Amino acid sequence: AQRVTQPEKLLSVFKGAPVELKCNYSYSGSPELFWYVQYSRQRLQLLLRHISRESIKGFTADLNKGETSFHLKKPFAQEEDSAMYYCALSGGNQGGKLIFGQGTELSVKP
Amino acid sequence: GAGVSQTPSNKVTEKGKYVELRCDPISGHTALYWYRQSLGQGPEFLIYFQGTGAADDSGLPNDRFFAVRPEGSVSTLKIQRTERGDSAVYLCASSFQAGNTIYFGEGSWLTVV
Repeated sequence: AQRVTQPEKLLSVFKGAPVELKCNYSYSGSPELFWYVQYSRQRLQLLLRHISRESIKGFTADLNKGETSFHLKKPFAQEEDSAMYYCALSGGNQGGKLIFGQGTELSVKP
Repeated sequence: GAGVSQTPSNKVTEKGKYVELRCDPISGHTALYWYRQSLGQGPEFLIYFQGTGAADDSGLPNDRFFAVRPEGSVSTLKIQRTERGDSAVYLCASSFQAGNTIYFGEGSWLTVV
């Protein structure tokens, strides 16, 4: 079965502290993994995808196929990073259909 | 338009009534997706269109839910005999082609009372 698990519903850190949002997945083939972000009162938007291997707003994520994980990391959190973060996967030949995790709310305190 | 547009933004309806939710994708996008998001959950896939045809409707929960995209642009999600459990945010998204970056609308908040 295809599944994405985000074990933390809420993660609270202080400004300047490192952040790691956890994501584990279950998929029998070679999925593509994504992180989406939803800022307060805004629409869901793509943050990054593993195939592009780029850093967006200081965030990075590495796909670990052995551990079936795609954790999102940032070395120094900023208050403007406070948002809901969703990990998602897309399987091959599925037309880009996304399977989402339950989301983690990140709260960065001043 | 500049982004995916959904109407209405909010809809309150009585149990048993029929509801239509509309999605206007980004111009030129051939793939269109519908998701449902309940409180405290991530978006849940319902159906996706490639052009006018439903390429994958495996996420539709039952036969009360139906979606169309007759001209390959605007799509309508139709819910018959609404139930309180249908209350959720219904998200529409589109991409240039299936597999490209998916852009979401702001959603339609449906409340069934």
